[in-house]
Amino acid sequence: AQRVTQPEKLLSVFKGAPVELKCNYSYSGSPELFWYVQYSRQRLQLLLRHISRESIKGFTADLNKGETSFHLKKPFAQEEDSAMYYCALLARGAQKLVFGQGTRLTINP
Amino acid sequence: EAGVAQSPRYKIIEKRQSVAFWCNPISGHATLYWYQQILGQGPKLLIQFQNNGVVDDSQLPKDRFSAERLKGVDSTLKIQPAKLEDSAVYLCASSPTSGAYNEQFFGPGTRLTVL
Repeated sequence: AQRVTQPEKLLSVFKGAPVELKCNYSYSGSPELFWYVQYSRQRLQLLLRHISRESIKGFTADLNKGETSFHLKKPFAQEEDSAMYYCALLARGAQKLVFGQGTRLTINP
Repeated sequence: EAGVAQSPRYKIIEKRQSVAFWCNPISGHATLYWYQQILGQGPKLLIQFQNNGVVDDSQLPKDRFSAERLKGVDSTLKIQPAKLEDSAVYLCASSPTSGAYNEQFFGPGTRLTVL
């Protein structure tokens, strides 16, 4: 079975500091991984996906198959990064996204 | 483009009552999803439609939950009868098709409170 674990429910950092949101997954095959974000009073939306190897709003995430992790990183946090972040996994060949519990990120001025 | 629409936005009912939620996906999106998000948890897929056919309903409590997508466009999710543990936000999402390259677009959700 697929499982996504986000060990931190809450994360608070100061503006300008580096940010790392942790995501670990459990899946025997080769997964596709995503980060979704929900800003205050907005809808859940895609931030980035592993398969595109992109950087969005300064965030990057690298898939580490050895550690089964897909941590989200940003070198310099901004106040507008405050939001709820969800890591999600799509098993290859399947069509169902499995979400982690989410991490609430707060950027302090 | 217009986003995924859901109604109602909020619903309060008593246990054992029935409730229905409506979703209108983005025009042209073949795949539609219903998620349940309990407070403090991530969204959990209840059912996935491809056009008007069910792709996955393995986590839908079929003794009380039902969903349909007639004509492959709008969808309704029904709970009958509701239990206290059904209190959650019900999210609808749609995507052009399915798979890793297809972004899911979410609606605003319906917050259900069962008393």
